[in-house]
Amino acid sequence: EAGVVQSPRYKIIEKKQPVAFWCNPISGHNTLYWYRQNLGQGPELLIRYENEEAVDDSQLPKDRFSAERLKGVDSTLKIQPAELGDSAVYLCASSLDRWIGGATEAFFGQGTRLTVV
Amino acid sequence: AQSVTQPDIHITVSEGASLELRCNYSYGATPYLFWYVQSPGQGLQLLLKYFSGDTLVQGIKGFEAEFKRSQSSFNLRKPSVHWSDAAEYFCAVGGGSQGNLIFGKGTKLSVKP
Repeated sequence: EAGVVQSPRYKIIEKKQPVAFWCNPISGHNTLYWYRQNLGQGPELLIRYENEEAVDDSQLPKDRFSAERLKGVDSTLKIQPAELGDSAVYLCASSLDRWIGGATEAFFGQGTRLTVV
Repeated sequence: AQSVTQPDIHITVSEGASLELRCNYSYGATPYLFWYVQSPGQGLQLLLKYFSGDTLVQGIKGFEAEFKRSQSSFNLRKPSVHWSDAAEYFCAVGGGSQGNLIFGKGTKLSVKP
């Protein structure tokens, strides 16, 4: 079974340019997460989807970041315009169920390393 | 507020030596605890998890962790480290209706021959 697939793996852009990341979760997984991992830090949640609904986007910088999960499967995370401080690894994860009771686990993709110059 | 602390930023051990990585958490309810490993350029791989029951949990690659509620700790151990264990290790806590994983800042493990 394929894991969480992310593309591209690496992206270098100039500041003020737009960029988009794509994620295909594990088949059948209803919950999808986008995390950002700054250098030397642990991942931090940006947004969590239950099917096509964004149920927690409190940490998403909405002035420049947007995300969508059409049809409750694939997801796209966009930054427009990018800033130097957005350089990080963007990780997508999925889990079978939402975290009521917490008894489930998240599977992570390899991430997209974004460098803004 | 929920949080995870990994006190050691970087640890170096000799191959074949034992390993213990520390993790302390702050969580208002029953925590669900995880250890993930991240090799360079890779995503996060789950090593083990604690939901309930036996407080000593076994994971993949010979790792184990012990949940100690009185100390709010979930330390990761391995009796004999292999060179391939060199990576960054993240402790995480989650659970309940919040639905999110909260990660520590990670501990980088180096293994010397």
